[in-house]
Amino acid sequence: QSVLTQPPSVSGAPGQRVTISCTGSSSNIGAGYYVHWYQQFPGTAPTLLIYGNTYRPSGVPDRFSGSKSGTSASLAITGLQAEDEADYYCQSYDSSLGVWVFGGGTKLTVL
Amino acid sequence: QVQLQESGPGLVKPSDTLSLTCAVSGYPLSISNWWGWIRQPPGKGLEWIGYIYDSGGTHYNPSLKSRVTMSVDTSKSQFSLKLSSVTAVDTAVYYCVSLRGEYCSGDTCEDRSIYYNYMDVWGQGTTVTVSS
Repeated sequence: QSVLTQPPSVSGAPGQRVTISCTGSSSNIGAGYYVHWYQQFPGTAPTLLIYGNTYRPSGVPDRFSGSKSGTSASLAITGLQAEDEADYYCQSYDSSLGVWVFGGGTKLTVL
Repeated sequence: QVQLQESGPGLVKPSDTLSLTCAVSGYPLSISNWWGWIRQPPGKGLEWIGYIYDSGGTHYNPSLKSRVTMSVDTSKSQFSLKLSSVTAVDTAVYYCVSLRGEYCSGDTCEDRSIYYNYMDVWGQGTTVTVSS
């Protein structure tokens, strides 16, 4: 059971918009600790997709965006493309446990 | 641009110590920075193992703390992970990462504490299997 909860899977058709939620608590996201998002293709290392809740590293398309509200955060992908099919992980810090935590991961399928 | 490369034995016997090294290129380890290790068991999600600062300060996952030791060797531009008394549950892909806490708004940038750092560069990962 992950401290940060993500849906196991989401799907969408090409061109559509999908969102992936990351639900935490008052000791992590709700405490103001930032949420970062990572993208992982099968057999490869994760890469940074969104940091500091909303910042996008250079090279990441602006189709990807992050937001945060209360004890939850979301990753939105607009104009869905086949190449977006991957696993997505949220990550933050939990002050109650004293650990950096990941969500369980969400597998995005492009229909 | 920082590049990271893990190395170490791919097979470790139960009860032995797992030892991995991460070679850093493109960034002098003498400049203050946090580095870390993340692992991913087969078919599962990511697990934070720990972080180490250039000067040697550490943060370890409490669930692994009694078995984990991290170190930095600035002369060799590398940092290392040791995990003792391994069992089959330690079988995983192990990634080394570099952390960054810089946030920029316009022309203004500031560095924020480790609690707000993000893993901006990942090594390719190395598979470690614990088996006799």
